[in-house]
Amino acid sequence: DTGVSQNPRHKITKRGQNVTFRCDPISEHNRLYWYRQTLGQGPEFLTYFQNEAQLEKSRLLSDRFSAERPKGSFSTLEIQRTEQGDSAMYLCASSSSTSGGETQYFGPGTRLLVL
Amino acid sequence: AQSVTQLGSHVSVSEGALVLLRCNYSSSVPPYLFWYVQYPNQGLQLLLKYTSAATLVKGINGFEAEFKKSETSFHLTKPSAHMSDAAEYFCAVSKSPGTYKYIFGTGTRLKVLA
Repeated sequence: DTGVSQNPRHKITKRGQNVTFRCDPISEHNRLYWYRQTLGQGPEFLTYFQNEAQLEKSRLLSDRFSAERPKGSFSTLEIQRTEQGDSAMYLCASSSSTSGGETQYFGPGTRLLVL
Repeated sequence: AQSVTQLGSHVSVSEGALVLLRCNYSSSVPPYLFWYVQYPNQGLQLLLKYTSAATLVKGINGFEAEFKKSETSFHLTKPSAHMSDAAEYFCAVSKSPGTYKYIFGTGTRLKVLA
């Protein structure tokens, strides 16, 4: 169990550019979540996968955001045409539906700064 | 709809003093409740969780929390603060059964004074 990993840890981009983040969950976990955390706030739910199926999306996930989990393992979160308001920490978490499925384990996050 | 309220965005305690961080929740169904800690520029680490077993839950680093249904509260306590406890603490609720997505409070930043 190596924990949840996220790459990159930091990303600086210019407004209008596209960015992609990767999350590798704990290997036996079939559930994967994305959250966004802005300064001084708690994380906010973005989307949830069970295996490769995206089962829920928040209204926060505008059309510029897309998430995938093609083989039910790692996941990517892409933001197109970034805006300054997208600057935040993007957190990934995973859990297992077969054991303690209610408990999510978080990665270190990807901090995005849009200039 | 579920929600979480953390009273006090900043709490300061002296080293060795009692730590009390407050969390109130609203949920139409029996909830799962969690406390996480976040150190600067890091992800969230689970401190403890309530999943409808014992109402007094013990976690890591000497923290514990008590689920009080009548007060819809899940306050976090530690008898004696240590300098290393300085961090941001988040209370979260999730619904069972369901997607188990978390609804987080806005967090409480704990400062420990020497």
